[in-house]
Amino acid sequence: EVQLVESGGGLVQPGGSLRLSCAASGFTFSSYAMSWVRQAPGKGLDWVSTISVGGGRKYYADSVKGRFTISTDNSKNTLYLQMNSLRVEDTALYYCANGLGVAGPFDYWGRGTLVTVSS
Amino acid sequence: QSVLTQPPSVSGAPGQRVTISCSGRSSNIGPYDVHWYQQIPGTAPKLLIYGNTNRPSGVPDRFSGSKSGTSASLAITGLQAEDEADYYCQSYDSSLSGSVFGGGTKLTVL
Repeated sequence: EVQLVESGGGLVQPGGSLRLSCAASGFTFSSYAMSWVRQAPGKGLDWVSTISVGGGRKYYADSVKGRFTISTDNSKNTLYLQMNSLRVEDTALYYCANGLGVAGPFDYWGRGTLVTVSS
Repeated sequence: QSVLTQPPSVSGAPGQRVTISCSGRSSNIGPYDVHWYQQIPGTAPKLLIYGNTNRPSGVPDRFSGSKSGTSASLAITGLQAEDEADYYCQSYDSSLSGSVFGGGTKLTVL
């Protein structure tokens, strides 16, 4: 059974940093692209970033480019999202998902971890 | 303002058929596949349709997808109370070099 478990969310002040993690199991992690998708409270889905199979290519939404960094550790079957210079508008539930690539589909999703940016 | 345009809401009675549209442009839906997700309130999204028309294992055949030009549609036949959820379309946009979602459509089963 595919499982994706996000962690690392919390309350942070504007300008601060957080690192999200997504622990994967039930599939061959190194054979899948991995993505982060967020959902602000009461709003729709918003794609954030994707890392390709093998990690050679990384894609970012314009809204996070230069502030967020996606990475993987295949030895730990874990996906990360380093978030710097956080803004109030980054407040959201952050989901990780696996799939074929940046174009999708996003096959399986975790339950998400909540990031709140507030002073 | 989402790159892909969906109606905010649709509704139907049990047993009826409803469709949800997803409108895009030549940089996204035109050349690229459309995927659909179902999100029951309080839960994570679930892949419902991939590659415009394909259902993952376990998704009932009451759900079907189609694509024509720069638009796509999700159809749900034989509506059931458990279908009440938010539905999102998703594609790739070459001008943004990234994935894009529709704003979501809330389905109410009357």
